[in-house]
Parts: sequence; C-alpha cells; structure tokens
Amino acid sequence: NAGVMQNPRHLVRRRGQEARLRCSPMKGHSHVYWYRQLPEEGLKFMVYLQKENIIDESGMPKERFSAEFPKEGPSILRIQQVVRGDSAAYFCASSRGGGSNQPQHFGDGTRLSIL
Amino acid sequence: EDKVVQSPLSLVVHEGDTVTLNCSYEVTNFRSLLWYKQEKKAPTFLFMLTSSGIEKKSGRLSSILDKKELSSILNITATQTGDSAIYLCAVDRQTGANNLFFGTGTRLTVIP
Repeated sequence: NAGVMQNPRHLVRRRGQEARLRCSPMKGHSHVYWYRQLPEEGLKFMVYLQKENIIDESGMPKERFSAEFPKEGPSILRIQQVVRGDSAAYFCASSRGGGSNQPQHFGDGTRLSIL
Repeated sequence: EDKVVQSPLSLVVHEGDTVTLNCSYEVTNFRSLLWYKQEKKAPTFLFMLTSSGIEKKSGRLSSILDKKELSSILNITATQTGDSAIYLCAVDRQTGANNLFFGTGTRLTVIP
C-alpha cells in the first residue's frame, strides 16, 4: 500500500496517560499535516511539518500536544496527560510539495478513545 | 473569520437520482477548493479547483468553482449505493501554511 499509513488504527488510553500517533507519508511526499475530527464536526487543522521542521502549528493546543517529523522515520503526534476531550479521530495527510497544485492525501486515521 | 459552509447537511436519495452538493466559502487569500469523499476511513481526494468556470469531471462526478459567487458545486449523476458517504469541501488559503479549512460535510445516503 503506497498510501499514507497511520498507526495504530485504534488507541485506548486512560486519563493522564500519553498517546503517540504515527504517520508515514506517501512515497515521495515530504509535507505532512495533522488534522483532528471530533464527532459530527469537520476536520480541523492542527500542524504542518516538513522533514525536521514545524512550518505551522497554529491549530495545535498550546499545552500537552506536540508533533515532530524526524529525518528518519514517521511523523509523530504526541499527546501528554490525555483528557476525555482528546477523544477524536486524528488524521494525517501528506503532499508532494506545498504548492497550489499539490493536493493532500489522507491516511485512514487513528481513533483515540480516552477512558 | 474564515468560513466554509456546506449544504445540505444530509441528503437521502434513491439509486439513479442525480444530486448536487453545495459549498460556499468566505476566506481570506483563497487559493483553491478541494472536494473529498469520506466513507468510514480516510477522506479520499476527488477534485481540486483553482479556476472559475472550468468543470472537472471524473466518471459520474463533476465539480465547478464560481469565484464570483464564492461557491462550488459537486454533482453526482446516476447515483449508486457506493456513493453513500460524507462529502467534504475544503479551502486552501495562500497563507504559506498549506492547511486546509474544512466544512462540516454533507452526508449522502443512497438507498436501493
């Protein structure tokens, strides 16, 4: 499968634990985006990264959330000390570049449930 | 504040019907508008529209952008049960950030 790969597909955590969500972009794509989808709501942008750089994190909550896209390996979205309100579907997308002709392609998402 | 509004919120049609989904936007520095289809998993890319009045077509689906009216429509002809999904409209803005601003979607249900 040459698409955007996210894992795990489902993640259950208790309040106060940490959640780590992984995303491998499509082959040849160097731009990664994370979105959050709450029940019955649209996708909301969180953060945009290129290799080793955070380009825009204007959609990230100021506390407990962080993201990285290291030189080697997948992009990671990390949520520390999770709370019930973090329960959502987290989608990763990638694109070849950042220009106007480069659509974003999405992974299947990680469904995070907080007990 | 930037806004993307989709209508209707939900729609139920019979197989073979033709449907038109609407998306209107109010955003600063518009660059392009994209349509995605979301079933149970990943939003699947359908169309990217940057120029007004040029129809994009893929099989039974087509879409067009009207920059004067700040809107786009997605048409599906001869609908099938496999078209049942949430159709998402998103706007890409020239902010340098490349983040997509999504509407809440139209839930389409096609019944046999």
